[in-house]
Amino acid sequence: GNSVTQMEGPVTLSEEAFLTINCTYTATGYPSLFWYVQYPGEGLQLLLKATKADDKGSNKGFEATYRKETTSFHLEKGSVQVSDSAVYFCARGNSGGSNYKLTFGKGTLLTVNP
Amino acid sequence: NAGVTQTPKFQVLKTGQSMTLQCAQDMNHEYMSWYRQDPGMGLRLIHYSVGAGITDQGEVPNGYNVSRSTTEDFPLRLLSAAPSQTSVYFCASSSTGVSNQPQHFGDGTRLSIL
Repeated sequence: GNSVTQMEGPVTLSEEAFLTINCTYTATGYPSLFWYVQYPGEGLQLLLKATKADDKGSNKGFEATYRKETTSFHLEKGSVQVSDSAVYFCARGNSGGSNYKLTFGKGTLLTVNP
Repeated sequence: NAGVTQTPKFQVLKTGQSMTLQCAQDMNHEYMSWYRQDPGMGLRLIHYSVGAGITDQGEVPNGYNVSRSTTEDFPLRLLSAAPSQTSVYFCASSSTGVSNQPQHFGDGTRLSIL
């Protein structure tokens, strides 16, 4: 079945450090890939997405590239801020383009210290 | 912009009690779903619906019932609460008419079963 494996946390960084959170997915079909972010006490918000191989999703300084050859969608940011502290979830949609049935990774807690 | 609204935000139940978690969306989305979020487990799909009158089971459906009588509402029922159902519950919705549209999440219901 579909699955998503992401780097286990927690991850603790200093402000302005470089961030990478690894994510790999099972290669069934051609799913869309997503990163969601959950700030304390809130629901999940879409951070970025990519719908086909070699697409790069970006938002708020975060980037992730859909790598079909390595079945990966790693999240990166060049300089993190304290306000980036949150839980980050990698997710894949259904194969064939419909994303409404998502499979999530277990989440990675990021804490950024000033 | 209400988006996805979940009620209540917090609830404490005794084992064996029943209750309904409410979810409503005002975006005319066809697809709605319920997830539970547990530490170290990420989000797991409980039930989902692709339109009024249509529901199906997700990954962890046991102990939960759903119905979808209108496009807007998708309540989740616990018929006889068990301590294992202590969790944070999220409702989400998305359009199925256009592929790769993101899911919109509510702020969650934190449920404790004593």
